[in-house]
Parts: sequence; structure tokens; C-alpha cells
Amino acid sequence: AQKVTQAQTEISVVEKEDVTLDCVYETRDTTYYLFWYKQPPSGELVFLIRRNSFDEQNEISGRYSWNFQKSTSSFNFTITASQVVDSAVYFCALSEPTTGNQFYFGTGTSLTVIP
Amino acid sequence: DAGVIQSPRHEVTEMGQEVTLRCKPISGHDYLFWYRQTMMRGLELLIYFNNNVPIDDSGMPEDRFSAKMPNASFSTLKIQPSEPRDSAVYFCASSSASPKPGELFFGEGSRLTVL
Repeated sequence: AQKVTQAQTEISVVEKEDVTLDCVYETRDTTYYLFWYKQPPSGELVFLIRRNSFDEQNEISGRYSWNFQKSTSSFNFTITASQVVDSAVYFCALSEPTTGNQFYFGTGTSLTVIP
Repeated sequence: DAGVIQSPRHEVTEMGQEVTLRCKPISGHDYLFWYRQTMMRGLELLIYFNNNVPIDDSGMPEDRFSAKMPNASFSTLKIQPSEPRDSAVYFCASSSASPKPGELFFGEGSRLTVL
């Protein structure tokens, strides 16, 4: 079973639109960590955010915001006023300390921002 | 601080040749991961080490693949003999159990093309 599901394979938006990338995870652990990574066309994987399971406060960083809801096992990522530079593949990931800090990645959502 | 360093960045080889990919993790990190990324299969975990000891190699495709971590600052992923279907980007990543468990730092990847 997939531990991290990113149901949206590809999304296209017009510049300045807001866009939300969905992430649903599955775990039986009470302590776990959730992440978002960005992979721009250049190919490197860039860390965006880390959230532990005990911190359900939403976080905002500039145009980026994250909505963590344990009740629905979701950790969604919203980009406000999207820009062309946001075009990338975005990966959601889960880490469970009880499985040796192994990372489980979703399949990624490819975001294209059209100028 | 230097990040995760991988070499070579690009490798083109012919089928049947041996390929060795190298990784230097971030100093002080006690976990090291090897991932493979393809369009078809996304990000796949191949193997990971904790304190230089392989913990889970269930993702290693077959006997042609082998990974070693002789010390805390160096790891190799070897493919022998290589096949065209091994063409992919191979990422090395490292993390630390403390102070921020699970935060994974990636190298820039090694793009392998097997002709």
C-alpha cells in the first residue's frame, strides 16, 4: 500500500493563480515527520518544509503555506500568486522513526505555471 | 557547510560495463540513502545505511547492484554489468537522527545513461 499519495499527477495554472497540491499519508505511528520537496527542471531536490506529527499548526513562508490535518491524514501545500519559477515537480514524503527513519515519497505532482 | 556530494554528475556507458557512483554525505549524518529516479517509477529507495551498516536493501533491483559504505564519509553504488534499463538519475541523500530526525538532504544526482 502506498504510504504517501499524491493524487494529482499534473497541474497547470496561469501565473498569479493560487494552487494547492494535495498529499495524503498513511501511518500507524504516533511520531512521524512530513516533508515537501521541490524538484525544478534542473533536477536537484530542494527541501521546503519539515513538520512533526505533534505540531498541527499551519505554516506560512512567503507565498507558500502548508495545511497539516491529522484528522484526514493530509498535508497539503498551497502556493499563492503562483509564478513561472514555481514550475517544478513537488514531492510529499513521510518519515517514520520506528522504521529506521526510512523515507516514503509520493509519486510527485508536476506543476506548470503558464505566464 | 558542504552538502551531499555525488560523482560523477553524468555518466554515459555501454551495456555490460561496470558503473560506480560515489557519494560523500554531510559530515555528522548517520543515515545514508541511495535513490533512483525514472519517469516510469518515480523515486525509488534502493538501499539505506545507518552508521555505515546496511539496514534495508530490499529496493536493490537485482544482484547486479551493490552498495557499500566503508566509512562514515563515503559510499558507493556499483552496477555490474550495466544494462540500458538502468538508465536513470541516482540520488544519494543523508540525514541525522538528531537534532532534526528525518530531514533528508540530497545530492545533485548522478545521471546515468547506458547505451
